[in-house]
Amino acid sequence: DAKTTQPPSMDCAEGRAANLPCNHSTISGNEYVYWYRQIHSQGPQYIIHGLKNNETNEMASLIITEDRKSSTLILPHATLRDTAVYYCIVRYNYGQNFVFGPGTRLSVLP
Amino acid sequence: DVKVTQSSRYLVKRTGEKVFLECVQDMDHENMFWYRQDPGLGLRLIYFSYDVKMKEKGDIPEGYSVSREKKERFSLILESASTNQTSMYLCASRAQGIYYEQYFGPGTRLTVT
Repeated sequence: DAKTTQPPSMDCAEGRAANLPCNHSTISGNEYVYWYRQIHSQGPQYIIHGLKNNETNEMASLIITEDRKSSTLILPHATLRDTAVYYCIVRYNYGQNFVFGPGTRLSVLP
Repeated sequence: DVKVTQSSRYLVKRTGEKVFLECVQDMDHENMFWYRQDPGLGLRLIYFSYDVKMKEKGDIPEGYSVSREKKERFSLILESASTNQTSMYLCASRAQGIYYEQYFGPGTRLTVT
């Protein structure tokens, strides 16, 4: 699976959009980009995934660059409950395992 | 909604004890996984199972075994608990097919004294 690089931490004001970047410059053509988050002392929670098109669901939007070497997870109106560690993962969709890196610790500030 | 439950949120055991961690999922998923999570090391895969009675070693299987007698239940066994197995243990499940996200349980924080 391709390696990802994320900033270790970010802050965001409550009510503003949180934009979390992820670099995956060695991604191959059939690898998907997944985002999970982990709120303190809970199991990771699936957010969204995509291959090359931008995706949106009730939680977030995923913007993937045209060359697929980076992506951005957007939480449109961050709340205090969005404070968590956010993980960007790239993997084959037929692989068995997800490999979680250190992620980005997002702090939403009042 | 998919639900993955784990038998305990917190567990304290003594060195040398045999420890059972239970995981149950209610969505008829074929694949189930056991991870441990430690500060600075992220999530590491211990074992996974892709069918009843089938199991595969993950990245760190030493000191652990697993059992999958029923599709919905995946057990992690520490044969003789040691202090270096103090950790957060996370169970996950995932369906076979095109919809590939994993669903995680709430975790069990195990302390071995």
